[in-house]
Amino acid sequence: DGGITQSPKYLFRKEGQNVTLSCEQNLNHDAMYWYRQDPGQGLRLIYYSQIVNDFQKGDIAEGYSVSREKKESFPLTVTSAQKNPTAFYLCASSIVGSRGREKLFFGSGTQLSVL
Amino acid sequence: DAKTTQPPSMDCAEGRAANLPCNHSTISGNEYVYWYRQIHSQGPQYIIHGLKNNETNEMASLIITEDRKSSTLILPHATLRDTAVYYCIVRGGQTGANNLFFGTGTRLTVIP
Repeated sequence: DGGITQSPKYLFRKEGQNVTLSCEQNLNHDAMYWYRQDPGQGLRLIYYSQIVNDFQKGDIAEGYSVSREKKESFPLTVTSAQKNPTAFYLCASSIVGSRGREKLFFGSGTQLSVL
Repeated sequence: DAKTTQPPSMDCAEGRAANLPCNHSTISGNEYVYWYRQIHSQGPQYIIHGLKNNETNEMASLIITEDRKSSTLILPHATLRDTAVYYCIVRGGQTGANNLFFGTGTRLTVIP
């Protein structure tokens, strides 16, 4: 089945450690996104990429980094510079439909916690 | 992208229609209304979207007022599995309008 796969589902980070969250899609979508969600809150955009080897900062990019070496993959690294990393992280991809409409498809998320 | 206003929570009896309102008074002419829902600890799921005409699919109906300043998502026969947070979003129809503002949505609880 086509879809977006995020792994791991749960991840724990030690102080000062970088961790990488995986996001893979087999939907042949050009655009991919990373969102952060805190309890009871909406989604905030961290980074997005519209094409391979290109990505743009979202609203809360500080302390995060991404790469887009392949169309299918958009990993997110949470660096030690991110002082409050505990959150639910969601990856999404999108297709541009007819007349420029754009629907997002989401993965099932990764819950990151600090030890 | 225009911001939206939704009630924080609603209840609905199982089997009845759930009507979820959304205000988007600053919507511009080329912005679509999208609805997504998020079941606890999962990624949001696309439900439906529209520009100015009412829309219906297998999941729901979307009613947009003539002035496009508000809309209503209708789940015709709510089930317990429809309990979720529902997000109303408006965004431009052109490629490049990448940021969807999800807000806090409406938490719908379907009661047995």
